Amino acid sequence: KQEVTQIPAALSVPEGENLVLNCSFTDSAIYNLQWFRQDPGKGLTSLLLIQSSQREQTSGRLNASLDKSSGRSTLYIAASQPGDSATYLCAVFKAAGNKLTFGGGTRVLVKP
Amino acid sequence: ETGVTQTPRHLVMGMTNKKSLKCEQHLGHNAMYWYKQSAKKPLELMFVYNFKEQTENNSVPSRFSPECPNSSHLFLHLHTLQPEDSALYLCASSTRTSGEPTDTQYFGPGTRLTVL
Repeated sequence: KQEVTQIPAALSVPEGENLVLNCSFTDSAIYNLQWFRQDPGKGLTSLLLIQSSQREQTSGRLNASLDKSSGRSTLYIAASQPGDSATYLCAVFKAAGNKLTFGGGTRVLVKP
Repeated sequence: ETGVTQTPRHLVMGMTNKKSLKCEQHLGHNAMYWYKQSAKKPLELMFVYNFKEQTENNSVPSRFSPECPNSSHLFLHLHTLQPEDSALYLCASSTRTSGEPTDTQYFGPGTRLTVL
């Protein structure tokens, strides 16, 4: 059974610092990995999707890496801003079946 | 209206009530999903529908009954729920179907359900 873990569960940084969020998964047979953002009481917004054949994806200040063999992904957010405060979730799509498995999320607070 | 919408946004119900959650997607997708997000637990997939056919039931109790009348609408019918069923219920949709790499899933804002 695929398990996805995100560490740390919560993170607080001053504005301007770079953020590093970690995600690990137990089964390397994945099609892709996605990072989502969730604001309090809201749905999820997709940030980046990395296919299993890719090593990284970038969008603006966001960069996500994927090391499938070691079951790890890292989301980097450069020059953090208070508007980046949210919960960040990673999810893996398994090779068989139409199913995303989510991690527990990392709650980020960026202080002005 | 665009994206994925869910109604109601908030729902309080007793254990003997019957209620329904509604999800509608305006993205032309052919797959729709129900997820449950409880406090301090990871987001859990409940059901998957591809082209109106249910392709995944993640061992969900029968007090939750999904319905997908067409590719744009998804319902979750609720009856005789328990307090531990209180959670945020999220709907999502995507373009890909079972057995192929999926495109990004687009999520609705969720329904916050409280069972008294």
